[in-house]
Formats: sequence, structure tokens, C-alpha cells
Amino acid sequence: DIVMTQSPDYLAVSLGERATINCKSGQSVLYSSNNKNYLAWYQQKPGQPPKLLITWASTRKSGVPDRFSGSGSGTDFTLTISSLQAEDVAVYYCQQYYTTFPWTFGQGTKVEVK
Amino acid sequence: EVRLVETGGGLIQPGGSLRLSCAVSGFTVDGNFMSWARQGPGRGLEWVAGFYSDGTEYYVDFLKGRFTISRDISKNTFYLQMSSLTADDTGVYYCAAGDWGSLGWGPGTLVTVSS
Repeated sequence: DIVMTQSPDYLAVSLGERATINCKSGQSVLYSSNNKNYLAWYQQKPGQPPKLLITWASTRKSGVPDRFSGSGSGTDFTLTISSLQAEDVAVYYCQQYYTTFPWTFGQGTKVEVK
Repeated sequence: EVRLVETGGGLIQPGGSLRLSCAVSGFTVDGNFMSWARQGPGRGLEWVAGFYSDGTEYYVDFLKGRFTISRDISKNTFYLQMSSLTADDTGVYYCAAGDWGSLGWGPGTLVTVSS
């Protein structure tokens, strides 16, 4: 299985400031034949299931605010919240889907308001 | 609208069995990849089992044959049969639709394995 490692585990950011979460995969999740990174980002609020925010490392799902952006390639990826809002308090997970089932998640990064 | 709802969770003694159900609306269980994931204390989020539209089943290795996934196309529902449960199986179990859960997740059902 591909191990996904996120950093930091916890992040406190002031409202309106930038939040940056990193994700590193144990092997490349870039598929050379189509040049796509098989990497997704999820947001999970307490008592709710994970909500898919971004696929293919940088494609926002419809309805996701544009303050959320994803970047990176190969083994190193970043989720950026450009201007943190109160409703963004949550745990964020990266997940690779490069392999066949089971795909693997990072351990999560908890984002709170400073 | 895609909607998934899990039922069947609860308190179960170690060594017991439990069957979870996932009722689906908005699409068909035989037309998409359907799967179960769980989130337990100290284990994080992990995929457990899934099947493709052709019926091919997938399981995570560490389950060692204790879990079985199935579906009832007539009811548009799929299931997770769990046996020989241990405390490590405690957690919230989610059903999900689409590859890597891309089409949606249910709200989850809590399974607690304890004597």
C-alpha cells in the first residue's frame, strides 16, 4: 500500500489568513500515460462524512469555494486555503487512488481558528 | 441526487457478527463502484471492501476473510457482513459510491465492539 503522510497534524490560522497543508506519498501517484496525479483532498467536519474537495491533485469539485486550491505532482502535494473562514474548521485528508483498491488516506490535518 | 444511508450499526460483543446495509438512491448499485470505509479511534480513515459493477470484489488484506460485501440489485442496496469482530473493528462505517468515493458518502453508522 502507498503510505500517505500529511504535515502538520494540527494547524491554527487566523481568520482571513492562508492555511497550507502538505501531503507526501510513499511513491509517485503520477500516471505517466495521461500525466494525471491520482490524488484527492477531503474535508471532514465533526459528525459528518468526508466531503470531496479536490481530485486529480488540483481540480476543485463543483460547488467548492475557490479559496481552496490544490497543487503538486509526483509525491508532494499541497492544499491551500487562501483566506480561512470560520466554516473551514475541519480535518483535511489527502488520499491516493493511483493503486487498485484499497486507496489510502493520510492521517489528517486538523485546522482551527487561532 | 445521490443519496446513501447506512443502517445496522450498534453494540456487539467481541466474536460476534453484524450486517450493515447501505440503501442507495439517485443511481444504481450495479452501475458504479460501491464500497465501505471505516473510521476508528486511532486507525484513521481506511477503505474496507468494495465491488465494481461487474461484481468483482475487493477487500483490504488485514480483514483476513472476516468481512464480505454483497448487493441486492432489486433493492438497490449493498451490504457488509462482518464476523469475528474485535475491539479494533470499532468505529463509524461509511458506505460510498464511485471510484474513491467520488460520487458521495453516507452519514455513517457506528459499530461498537465491546463486552
